[in-house]
Amino acid sequence: DAKTTQPTSMDCAEGRAANLPCNHSTISGNEYVYWYRQIHSQGPQYIIHGLKNNETNEMASLIITEDRKSSTLILPHATLRDTAVYYCIVRVGWNQFYFGTGTSLTVIP
Amino acid sequence: KAGVTQTPRYLIKTRGQQVTLSCSPISGHRSVSWYQQTPGQGLQFLFEYFSETQRNKGNFPGRFSGRQFSNSRSEMNVSTLELGDSALYLCASSALTGDEQYFGPGTRLTVT
Repeated sequence: DAKTTQPTSMDCAEGRAANLPCNHSTISGNEYVYWYRQIHSQGPQYIIHGLKNNETNEMASLIITEDRKSSTLILPHATLRDTAVYYCIVRVGWNQFYFGTGTSLTVIP
Repeated sequence: KAGVTQTPRYLIKTRGQQVTLSCSPISGHRSVSWYQQTPGQGLQFLFEYFSETQRNKGNFPGRFSGRQFSNSRSEMNVSTLELGDSALYLCASSALTGDEQYFGPGTRLTVT
């Protein structure tokens, strides 16, 4: 039922920007895109969300294409602690989140 | 503010038994969602409660049920346990619809 597709894994050099892509070609006009990450054995952690405008917070930036069919999460200066599985999620209905399989990001020293 | 708490953290049950897991949301949060995480299926949505009402339900058999109390605490029950129910069960709370969800540490259930 996942409405998003992401690459299975990615590597990023420490200190560089990590750009994580996500496709959500069937997204509806009022469905938000959320990003969470999960560090091994812990509960997922909220990162950012948006509808159609680009968003930025202290953790990351979210770039959503104009047609809303894809988005990119940007971690501006990746650190070793950013190694995690990153989930791109579309919220359906009230509070129903489909997590998909996520991207395993490895930050390399 | 205290985070989402889940009890117990670890549980071992035998096939055919039933189990109840508990989740206490962040104070003031009225929405509680439950997820099952397994290596093969990833994170799958079970159900969501808001003000004691189930608003959303994922694609799981009727053996999986839940409820929410007036203080927003929630319980999840699995009856007639199967080996395939072995998983990490995560609970998440949010203040309002669309707000970010805060996850608890999960309950690791092992069915033997």
